[in-house]
Amino acid sequence: QKEVEQNSGPLSVPEGAIASLNCTYSDRGSQSFFWYRQYSGKSPELIMSIYSNGDKEDGRFTAQLNKASQYVSLLIRDSQPSDSATYLCAVRGGSYIPTFGRGTSLIVHP
Amino acid sequence: EAQVTQNPRYLITVTGKKLTVTCSQNMNHEYMSWYRQDPGLGLRQIYYSMNVEVTDKGDVPEGYKVSRKEKRNFPLILESPSPNQTSLYFCASRTGGARDTDTQYFGPGTRLTVL
Repeated sequence: QKEVEQNSGPLSVPEGAIASLNCTYSDRGSQSFFWYRQYSGKSPELIMSIYSNGDKEDGRFTAQLNKASQYVSLLIRDSQPSDSATYLCAVRGGSYIPTFGRGTSLIVHP
Repeated sequence: EAQVTQNPRYLITVTGKKLTVTCSQNMNHEYMSWYRQDPGLGLRQIYYSMNVEVTDKGDVPEGYKVSRKEKRNFPLILESPSPNQTSLYFCASRTGGARDTDTQYFGPGTRLTVL
């Protein structure tokens, strides 16, 4: 059974701080890693994808992947109240079936 | 505008009454899938399709059927809905093949309540 684990939170950070979201996965054959943002009652929206070890930066977002430790994280710099949402980690191996974590709720308070 | 549409957005029905949730995408994507999302359980894949007439089970297929007669459409069918199928349903699509860059686009969701 492929598993993707996330702390459900909520993670509460002040505006302007760095939010750090973590995800671990069980399948060592996983090749593709994704972070989705989901506002309450809305559909998930892809914000980052990462495929190789190291960091990938896109604006205020940085995804970090460590395949040896089976760990992927998302850093959000200069957090804004509009970043308050649930963040879903998704992992995909060689198949077409991605496995999603249960999501971490992030609250950015002014 | 590139999009995935679902209908209906909200549905309240009764146990045993057959229903269909439609899904359509205008991006010529090969790959389409259905998910359900439940509190505390996250997103779970029900069925997926890699192309026309090619479908396969996801993690939670029991009680659901799908068909893919056209590339753009992927309806989800509940032949005899039960209360445990009360959930938020999402359709998604993406380009197929072996490409790594596979942004998945989600529809707006269908909130289903089975009484």
